[in-house]
Amino acid sequence: KAGVTQTPRYLIKTRGQQVTLSCSPISGHRSVSWYQQTPGQGLQFLFEYFSETQRNKGNFPGRFSGRQFSNSRSEMNVSTLELGDSALYLCASSFNIGAGANVLTFGAGSRLTVL
Amino acid sequence: GDSVTQMEGPVTLSEEAFLTINCTYTATGYPSLFWYVQYPGEGLQLLLKATKADDKGSNKGFEATYRKETTSFHLEKGSVQVSDSAVYFCALTNQGGSEKLVFGKGTKLTVNP
Repeated sequence: KAGVTQTPRYLIKTRGQQVTLSCSPISGHRSVSWYQQTPGQGLQFLFEYFSETQRNKGNFPGRFSGRQFSNSRSEMNVSTLELGDSALYLCASSFNIGAGANVLTFGAGSRLTVL
Repeated sequence: GDSVTQMEGPVTLSEEAFLTINCTYTATGYPSLFWYVQYPGEGLQLLLKATKADDKGSNKGFEATYRKETTSFHLEKGSVQVSDSAVYFCALTNQGGSEKLVFGKGTKLTVNP
């Protein structure tokens, strides 16, 4: 069974550009979450989607946005990139069968470097 | 808001040594608690979880017990191996209907042969 697939794995952008990251969840999983991982701030929650609806959002500026498609695939976009956006962006999916009981399966991440 | 505090690393042990990584949390209500592990160049993998007080999660020789009275979820392993070298994250989820995880800062473990 295929895991959570994130593309691209690595990318380099310059300040002011925008970037779109993609996440394909495990087949049958309807919930997708995104996290930002940096050495200084650790793992921080970005968004959570379920059945194409954003269910929860972390404390990030409006430059960070996301969406989920009818096939549960998700994308996140960061506009007007800043140096501080350099990070590993992790996507996770789950069946979402009940609060607190779900196991999130994480992808390998997309490593973004902003120059 | 909810938070997780885990012991600062890095932790360096010899093979077959005993491991403890401390984790305490602050949360209202009854959170579910998790330990995730991240190997170099990879995403996070669930190591174990506990969903209510006094539950013990276990996997691959690792154990952690949900202690509500001390708001703790310490990770232990009796005999570590070189292959256990990784970064370990304690986390909680505490929002009904949401799977948002709140993570600790992570503890890097290095096991030497």
